[in-house]
Amino acid sequence: AQSVTQPDIHITVSEGASLELRCNYSYGATPYLFWYVQSPGQGLQLLLKYFSGDTLVQGIKGFEAEFKRSQSSFNLRKPSVHWSDAAEYFCAVAPYGNKLVFGAGTILRVKS
Amino acid sequence: ETGVTQSPTHLIKTRGQQVTLRCSSQSGHNTVSWYQQALGQGPQFIFQYYREEENGRGNFPPRFSGLQFPNYSSELNVNALELDDSALYLCASSLFGLDQETQYFGPGTRLLVL
Repeated sequence: AQSVTQPDIHITVSEGASLELRCNYSYGATPYLFWYVQSPGQGLQLLLKYFSGDTLVQGIKGFEAEFKRSQSSFNLRKPSVHWSDAAEYFCAVAPYGNKLVFGAGTILRVKS
Repeated sequence: ETGVTQSPTHLIKTRGQQVTLRCSSQSGHNTVSWYQQALGQGPQFIFQYYREEENGRGNFPPRFSGLQFPNYSSELNVNALELDDSALYLCASSLFGLDQETQYFGPGTRLLVL
């Protein structure tokens, strides 16, 4: 079965520091890959997606992600974190056209 | 462009009751998916509706049912509520046949079952 693993439940970074959130997936073919962000009590906002082509994709709010087929990974990065980035981040795959399979999420805390 | 909207925002029910949650899709979208997000977990796919018919279902019992209307809005109905049904219910819309994997989410309905 398709699955998504986000190894880090919580991550704390200092404001201005770089960020990398890890995501590994289990799927036979190259799936469609997504990163979403969820602020407390809110719905999910799409940050970026990968379907094919260039393995480094740019998203909103200065985020980027790199697809690595050999490692079955799709890690999210940001060069300089802002306090407003504190939220929960979810990696997801779309193995079929009709559903998303999500990881358990990573809570990002930003310290000033 | 109007985003995905959901109502109500919060709801409290007692065990055994029935509940109906509502979702309006983003303008131009014709497909609606529903997800359950329990506290501290990622969203779990419940089902998807396209052309007013169910187009895929996750591992949820039949007491979870849905509808889609001609204007593409949707309802999620849950019968015989259980305590474990307490969760954030998220609706997402997409455009079937063109970038259909990209789903845009509403703010959710938080359901508490006592």
